[in-house]
Amino acid sequence: KAGVTQTPRYLIKTRGQQVTLSCSPISGHRSVSWYQQTPGQGLQFLFEYFSETQRNKGNFPGRFSGRQFSNSRSEMNVSTLELGDSALYLCASREGSMATGELFFGEGSRLTVL
Amino acid sequence: GENVGLHLPTLSVQEGDNSIINCAYSNSASDYFIWYKQESGKGPQFIIDIRSNMDKRQGQRVTVLLNKTVKHLSLQIAATQPGDSAVYFCAENMNTGNQFYFGTGTSLTVIP
Repeated sequence: KAGVTQTPRYLIKTRGQQVTLSCSPISGHRSVSWYQQTPGQGLQFLFEYFSETQRNKGNFPGRFSGRQFSNSRSEMNVSTLELGDSALYLCASREGSMATGELFFGEGSRLTVL
Repeated sequence: GENVGLHLPTLSVQEGDNSIINCAYSNSASDYFIWYKQESGKGPQFIIDIRSNMDKRQGQRVTVLLNKTVKHLSLQIAATQPGDSAVYFCAENMNTGNQFYFGTGTSLTVIP
């Protein structure tokens, strides 16, 4: 089985631009979560989707948004980029609807905002 | 306030020795815990999990201990190898929620 795939792996943007990151979960996994990882704040939860519905949202401004498609693939978007948005954005998928069960992470999309 | 960077706890061990990595979790209602390993340039990788109705669980070369009284989790790695060098995170989850809260991580360096 292929793992969680995130694209692009690396990208550079400038302040004020917007960015869209993509995540393909493991086949059969219906839950997709997004996390932001920075040296300053560690791993922080952004949001989680299950069957195209956002079930939970972390404490991030409205510039951060996401969605999930019927095939469970997910995208997240960050608008009006700020320098502080530079981070590794990690997507994780999980099999079912239960809260327990391990998260399988992708390799991440490393965003640099100049 | 000022954004102070996280100072990752570090642990250096000699190859072949046992390692113990500790984690204090925050929510007494958390009932599911996972240890993850993250190597440089990679995403976190599952090591072992434990539910709150257990206080110990063993895997291959790894053991997780859970002390709910003091909200403490530990990961023991037996016969540590150079390939174990990585940052280790604990994550907690409440069964009623769908998000994990991650600890700040511990950087483990194995000295050959």
